[in-house]
Amino acid sequence: GQNIDQPTEMTATEGAIVQINCTYQTSGFNGLFWYQQHAGEAPTFLSYNVLDGLEEKGRFSSFLSRSKGYSYLLLKELQMKDSASYLCAVRDRGGGSYIPTFGRGTSLIVHP
Amino acid sequence: DGGITQSPKYLFRKEGQNVTLSCEQNLNHDAMYWYRQDPGQGLRLIYYSQIVNDFQKGDIAEGYSVSREKKESFPLTVTSAQKNPTAFYLCASSGNNSPEAFFGQGTRLTVV
Repeated sequence: GQNIDQPTEMTATEGAIVQINCTYQTSGFNGLFWYQQHAGEAPTFLSYNVLDGLEEKGRFSSFLSRSKGYSYLLLKELQMKDSASYLCAVRDRGGGSYIPTFGRGTSLIVHP
Repeated sequence: DGGITQSPKYLFRKEGQNVTLSCEQNLNHDAMYWYRQDPGQGLRLIYYSQIVNDFQKGDIAEGYSVSREKKESFPLTVTSAQKNPTAFYLCASSGNNSPEAFFGQGTRLTVV
């Protein structure tokens, strides 16, 4: 199985930049996902990293270091609508299933 | 439009009754999943299916059952054996063309 650790809660100011970290331990790493989830709604896909480095998509970027078992999600120019839970998920190739395992999520509160 | 649909959005049942949650997708995805989400727990895998007529237990399968008779459908039955069934249930699917999972809007089950 995997151990996935991310902070429980973070706060930030509108217009600022915030970095949400995720650390993981897995024996057969096969990709890391970030999802955004607003309260009571379904998670929506943000990013996927399988190789080391930074992937940029508009205001959101995701970074991966496989050797350190570490990823972060960077949110720039924060908006109030970015207040949500951010889920880190790791896919493991153990048993051939490739099923993603989710962390507990980081609740981000953006205030004016 | 292609997507994944869960119904109903809210469901109330009396303790001791079995209840079936519906999940349908028209994305032509082979893999389908059921997750349970409780406050502060993130998403936990109940069952998954990688192909029609086959499914596997996830981390918390006790008290649940599934079937996968059609590619489009993966219903979840919450049985009376499930000790704490009140939760938010999320169905997801994924295909061979992209790694991310697509989620339904979720069913909030309350057992009284």
